[in-house]
Amino acid sequence: DAGVIQSPRHEVTEMGQEVTLRCKPISGHDYLFWYRQTMMRGLELLIYFNNNVPIDDSGMPEDRFSAKMPNASFSTLKIQPSEPRDSAVYFCASSRGGAFNEQFFGPGTRLTVL
Amino acid sequence: AQKVTQVQTEISVVEKEDVTLDCVYETRDTTYYLFWYKQPPSGELVFLIRRNSFDEQNEISGRYSWNFQKSTSSFNFTITASQVVDSAVYFCALVALQGAQKLVFGQGTRLTINP
Repeated sequence: DAGVIQSPRHEVTEMGQEVTLRCKPISGHDYLFWYRQTMMRGLELLIYFNNNVPIDDSGMPEDRFSAKMPNASFSTLKIQPSEPRDSAVYFCASSRGGAFNEQFFGPGTRLTVL
Repeated sequence: AQKVTQVQTEISVVEKEDVTLDCVYETRDTTYYLFWYKQPPSGELVFLIRRNSFDEQNEISGRYSWNFQKSTSSFNFTITASQVVDSAVYFCALVALQGAQKLVFGQGTRLTINP
């Protein structure tokens, strides 16, 4: 079975540009989570969805960040406009039944904003 | 609020040594789950174990073992006879019933096993 798929794996962009990160969760999983990993702040939950509905976006740092899940097999995290401090590794994870159960993580997208 | 502390930032041992990674947590909730994840150099986080707050039995899986002690709010992870392939960053994490499905991670411990 395929795991969580994320694209692109690496993204380099210039400050001010729009960035879109993509995630395909494991089929049958009803929860999807977006995390950000930085040296300074570690792993932080940005937002999570249950059955495609955003439940808690309190971790989204600013209005420049937005996330959508139009269907059970696809989610996007968009940053517009991007800033150098957004440089990080962004992980998507999915689970069956929520955060109390094992989360399956994607390989991450390493974002560099110049 | 929930908090997870991994005081060991980096550990370096020689292959075949035993090593213990410490994890201390804070929560006011009586129902919670603790996790350990491994992040190898490839970057992807890999689930290792989950424990709920009502089950203090220690767990052993091959060379890996976990010691959960509610009295000291600790959930430590021991690797016996370490191998080079165990080199990774290891994260302890906590989610509480009242924590709104938010998994809170510790800062991680970078473990290096030298041949």
